[in-house]
Amino acid sequence: EPEVTQTPSHQVTQMGQEVILRCVPISNHLYFYWYRQILGQKVEFLVSFYNNEISEKSEIFDDQFSVERPDGSNFTLKIRSTKLEDSAMYFCASSEEGRTGRGGKLFFGSGTQLSVL
Amino acid sequence: DAKTTQPNSMESNEEEPVHLPCNHSTISGTDYIHWYRQLPSQGPEYVIHGLTSNVNNRMASLAIAEDRKSSTLILHRATLRDAAVYYCILSGDDKIIFGKGTRLHILP
Repeated sequence: EPEVTQTPSHQVTQMGQEVILRCVPISNHLYFYWYRQILGQKVEFLVSFYNNEISEKSEIFDDQFSVERPDGSNFTLKIRSTKLEDSAMYFCASSEEGRTGRGGKLFFGSGTQLSVL
Repeated sequence: DAKTTQPNSMESNEEEPVHLPCNHSTISGTDYIHWYRQLPSQGPEYVIHGLTSNVNNRMASLAIAEDRKSSTLILHRATLRDAAVYYCILSGDDKIIFGKGTRLHILP
């Protein structure tokens, strides 16, 4: 069964460093998402991406964050200067149909645990 | 996105049916009702979704009230593997916003 793949599974970085989290969405999917989950808290929407541009972003997704689809298979989340509070599990998701308001389904990866020291 | 209300936690016995309720009294006419779950240490997983009619798939059934102000996720025969947080979500656009969900405990 096709799945969303995220690498690395764990990433440790120093505060102020840049990190890039990588995702390989399901191959025929066109809509891509990043979510994060701070330990013990709910899953939070960060950004959605379609047709090589951001569709929507949350208040969390400030200028420190950026997303890119550098080629036909990868989808990346970059955090330019990490803060302690960026420590979280980051989930990538993809969807074929996109619009969940029309019944689109999201498929999630197993996440990258980011630890900022 | 309109708000949903779910119990914080529920318990069920293994091999018995489980009914997970969700209230969404402010649902709009075009909102889809989605259910996702998150098993321990895993990413969220799609379970089922519907608009007006009841829906069945290999994982679960979704019963939607006639006025659409509530819905129930039905796991027909719970296993230990079904222990997870279950999220009831309304979506009228192109994203899923997670609430706190219901933590389902399965008793062996």
